[in-house]
Amino acid sequence: DIQMTQSPSSLSASVGDRVTITCRASQSISSYLNWYQQKPGKAPKLLIYAASSLQSGVPSRFSGSGSGTDFTLTISSLQPEDFATYYCQQSYSTSLTFGPGTKVDIK
Amino acid sequence: QVQLVQSGAEVKKPGASVKVSCKASGYTFTSYGISWVRQAPGQGLEWMGWISAYNGNTNYAQKLQGRVTMTTDTSTSTAYMELRSLRSDDTAVYYCARGGYYDSSGIFDYWGQGTLVTVSS
Repeated sequence: DIQMTQSPSSLSASVGDRVTITCRASQSISSYLNWYQQKPGKAPKLLIYAASSLQSGVPSRFSGSGSGTDFTLTISSLQPEDFATYYCQQSYSTSLTFGPGTKVDIK
Repeated sequence: QVQLVQSGAEVKKPGASVKVSCKASGYTFTSYGISWVRQAPGQGLEWMGWISAYNGNTNYAQKLQGRVTMTTDTSTSTAYMELRSLRSDDTAVYYCARGGYYDSSGIFDYWGQGTLVTVSS
C-alpha cells in the first residue's frame, strides 16, 4: 500500500493566519491527491481533489498544490470555522489510503 | 440533493457480526459505487473497500479480506457492509461515502453521517 504522511500533526494558529499543511506519499502518485476537512463528531468533507481542484461550494481561501510525492494544502486566511482536522488521501492505487491527519486549533 | 443515510449505532460482542446500511438518494444509485471508511476513537480514517452499485464488483482492503462483505440492493438504493468475527479493535465509527477508485477516481464527494459500532463483552 502507498503510505501517506502529513506534517505537522497539529498546529495552533490565529484567525487571519496563513496555514500550510504538507502531505507526502511513499511513491509518486502523480496528482491523485485529495484533501478532506473533518470537524468533531462529523463526517469528513471534500475540499480539494486532484491535488488542486476546489470542490464546488468550498471557499476560495482553500487551495492545493503539488504532484509526484509532495503536496500542500493552504488556507490563505484562517477563519473560525476552519478549526478542524485535515486529511490527505491518495487515489492513485486501487487500495486507497489516508494520511494520519493534521489538527488545526486555536492559538 | 445527494444524501447518504446510515443505520443506527450497534453494540456487539466479540466474535459476532454487524451489518450497517447506507441508503442513498438524490442521484442515480447505479452510477456510482459506495466505499466504506472507518475511524477508531481518536484515530484517523481507514478505507475498508468499495462496491460497484452498477454490477456488484467489489474491491476490499487486504487487511479485511475474508471478514468483510459489501452488498447493494438497487431496488432500495441501499448499500450494506457486513463485518464478521468482530474484535475490540473493530470499535469505530463506520462511514459510507459515494465513489471509489473505479468510478470516481477515488474521490469521496458525499458521506453518510456515520454509524458507531462498539465491540465489547
